[in-house]
Amino acid sequence: NAGVTQTPKFQVLKTGQSMTLQCAQDMNHNSMYWYRQDPGMGLRLIYYSASEGTTDKGEVPNGYNVSRLNKREFSLRLESAAPSQTSVYFCASSGGPPSAEQYFGPGTRLTVT
Amino acid sequence: GIQVEQSPPDLILQEGANSTLRCNFSDSVNNLQWFHQNPWGQLINLFYIPSGTKQNGRLSATTVATERYSLLYISSSQTTDSGVYFCAAASGGSYIPTFGRGTSLIVHP
Repeated sequence: NAGVTQTPKFQVLKTGQSMTLQCAQDMNHNSMYWYRQDPGMGLRLIYYSASEGTTDKGEVPNGYNVSRLNKREFSLRLESAAPSQTSVYFCASSGGPPSAEQYFGPGTRLTVT
Repeated sequence: GIQVEQSPPDLILQEGANSTLRCNFSDSVNNLQWFHQNPWGQLINLFYIPSGTKQNGRLSATTVATERYSLLYISSSQTTDSGVYFCAAASGGSYIPTFGRGTSLIVHP
């Protein structure tokens, strides 16, 4: 039982390049989330998916797109990376209401030069 | 949306000391969690506690939902307790939590 997995663990991009961060969970959870963590800012929600087939914007969605590929997988895409997107990205999942306890993946450290 | 504030922002302890971390939130909650982010960046679930009291070894947590705060107690601290402690809370019809900015804890040997 791996929980929540993310790939890659580290990535360096040049400004304007694109990439997709992958996330998968094996807990049969309905809901999945993408967060970014910047120094001193806590975690901020980028996008979430309440259930398979649905996605919604969070607090900081600009510059990102997401795909809920199936119940297990939720990907985050940067179409044209910018230095402001240098951050640590976390994926999480939860079973959804009434118990919405979140479980997090190990994170992806992204640097955009 | 709900506002989540944590205090203190920084805490330095000697090994063996006790501490209390506080999380205040601006609305009634249906979801409250405490996490520990270790020095390697991993987020570890400590407690899921929208109300009441729970204990797990040297750690315990209490949420007083009517007064809009939660407390995390660490007793007999160890160097491995170092890291950042986050509180995350959700309210109303949304189950999606908002994170506080965290309390950074350093435990010296």
